[in-house]
Amino acid sequence: DGGITQSPKYLFRKEGQNVTLSCEQNLNHDAMYWYRQDPGQGLRLIYYSQIVNDFQKGDIAEGYSVSREKKESFPLTVTSAQKNPTAFYLCASRSTSGTGVAGELFFGEGSRLTVL
Amino acid sequence: GQNIDQPTEMTATEGAIVQINCTYQTSGFNGLFWYQQHAGEAPTFLSYNVLDGLEEKGRFSSFLSRSKGYSYLLLKELQMKDSASYLCAVRDEYNFNKFYFGSGTKLNVKP
Repeated sequence: DGGITQSPKYLFRKEGQNVTLSCEQNLNHDAMYWYRQDPGQGLRLIYYSQIVNDFQKGDIAEGYSVSREKKESFPLTVTSAQKNPTAFYLCASRSTSGTGVAGELFFGEGSRLTVL
Repeated sequence: GQNIDQPTEMTATEGAIVQINCTYQTSGFNGLFWYQQHAGEAPTFLSYNVLDGLEEKGRFSSFLSRSKGYSYLLLKELQMKDSASYLCAVRDEYNFNKFYFGSGTKLNVKP
């Protein structure tokens, strides 16, 4: 079945370490996104990519980096520069070819990062 | 700035009807989306409104009034499995990659 796979589901990091969260989709979607979800707050956009080898900063990109070398993959690196990285991270994708009902987002199961 | 408001938490009884409101103040508008999110899981798409009026999908309906900056999600014949958070999101008028999310409404369904 088509979908989005995020890994790992849980991740623990020591302060000062970089970590990379994986996101793979087999929906053939062009656009991919990373969101951060914190208690009591709406989803906040970190980075997005409309096409391979191109990506744009979202609202809270500081301390994060991404790459888009393949259509299916959009990994997120949480660097040591991110001051408060403990959060639930959601990857999403979207069809830009008009095949979706509304151009809605499809989400992965999420990765919960805890900094010790 | 963009502002999306939803109640933080609601409680309803199994078999009843519940309405979850969402008000928005955004610089542009290109559609309002509702997602369901069970604790620790992925949000899943429920409904989409871009024109004023009611959209019905089974037990779930969503209403939009663009002039009032207001939407609601109506859940009928509540089931225990409907206990989840419901997220309201507005898509940016000029950048289809930008969605502005409310903080979500946690719905508790009790027997």
